[in-house]
Amino acid sequence: DSGVTQTPKHLITATGQRVTLRCSPRSGDLSVYWYQQSLDQGLQFLIQYYNGEERAKGNILERFSAQQFPDLHSELNLSSLELGDSALYFCASSVGPGLAKNIQYFGAGTRLSVL
Amino acid sequence: KNEVEQSPQNLTAQEGEFITINCSYSVGISALHWLQQHPGGGIVSLFMLSSGKKKHGRLIATINIQEKHSSLHITASHPRDSAVYICAVRRGGSQGNLIFGKGTKLSVKP
Repeated sequence: DSGVTQTPKHLITATGQRVTLRCSPRSGDLSVYWYQQSLDQGLQFLIQYYNGEERAKGNILERFSAQQFPDLHSELNLSSLELGDSALYFCASSVGPGLAKNIQYFGAGTRLSVL
Repeated sequence: KNEVEQSPQNLTAQEGEFITINCSYSVGISALHWLQQHPGGGIVSLFMLSSGKKKHGRLIATINIQEKHSSLHITASHPRDSAVYICAVRRGGSQGNLIFGKGTKLSVKP
């Protein structure tokens, strides 16, 4: 068990809908990262938050947004869903902002199916 | 061309064999990670390297910064080592995002 909790484990929804994925980092970790893993693209970095603020942005679509709350949990919001958004979404956490203690611990992932 | 290339894509080995998975990258990096993804989907971070060599149990990871190449070795392989092994690099100067290779799917037969 990595200590990173993601909910829900599975999500099935329809095109055009909006969903929220939730991540609770390991106790003491201030950084949260979101990744998308699809069959054709592999793992891709979406966005990072550190202590409530956006730290780095990757290949995140405008239809997607994220935030990190004062208790350090994070939510990834996906809207106007398309079939191509079907993927595994991973959250990871680390102690620091990325340079010093940057081993990342991964959650079990949320499998999103858009029908 | 992908910035992180892994080889081989697929690897089948007999239990007990010595296994090597390679990772080459084309960008300047501050660190390289090896990850293991189990058949169920869970991802575990195995190593983080910025130079030299690290060992954990039967796993050894090496990196050659000048050649922009890293290897992951598994000694005395076991069926429970069957998984996808993913190389990921952190660009030099970046704050946390990783660039991933496409993974090497390893199957160890008893």
